[in-house]
Amino acid sequence: KQEVTQIPAALSVPEGENLVLNCSFTDSAIYNLQWFRQDPGKGLTSLLLIQSSQREQTSGRLNASLDKSSGRSTLYIAASQPGDSATYLCAVKGDNDMRFGAGTRLTVKP
Amino acid sequence: DAGITQSPRYKITETGRQVTLMCHQTWSHSYMFWYRQDLGHGLRLIYYSAAADITDKGEVPDGYVVSRSKTENFPLTLESATRSQTSVYFCASSESSDIYGYTFGSGTRLTVV
Repeated sequence: KQEVTQIPAALSVPEGENLVLNCSFTDSAIYNLQWFRQDPGKGLTSLLLIQSSQREQTSGRLNASLDKSSGRSTLYIAASQPGDSATYLCAVKGDNDMRFGAGTRLTVKP
Repeated sequence: DAGITQSPRYKITETGRQVTLMCHQTWSHSYMFWYRQDLGHGLRLIYYSAAADITDKGEVPDGYVVSRSKTENFPLTLESATRSQTSVYFCASSESSDIYGYTFGSGTRLTVV
């Protein structure tokens, strides 16, 4: 059974810092990995999707990497802003479904 | 509007009552999913559907029933609601190929009293 872990569970940083969120998974037989953002009381917004054959994806200030063999992914956020405050979830897609980590709650202080 | 919509956004029901949560998508995606999100457990898959009239159990299916008579709709029914089913429910959809990710609805917050 696929297990997805996100560390840290919570992170607080001052505005302007670069930061890294971590995601690890136990079964490397995945099709893709997706990073989501969730604001309080809201749904999930897709940030980046990395296919199993890819090493990284970039969108604006966000960069996600994937090392399938070691079961790890990182989400790098450059020059963080207060508007980045949210919970970030990673999810891995295997046969039939997608498994989620519990998320990292990020607070960016002005 | 194109997208995936869930209704209602909020629902309060009593223990033992039947309640149905609705999910509608406009893309004609093959796959649809129901997840519940609880503190301490993250998102867990309840049921999924690969196409109209094809459904299968996920990680936590007990107490739930789904149907998919049309590609665009995937309702989730709690046959006899229990307090443990108090949760936020998310519907998602995806294209049929493994290369695609998921798109989520805004969620339904269900409280069983």
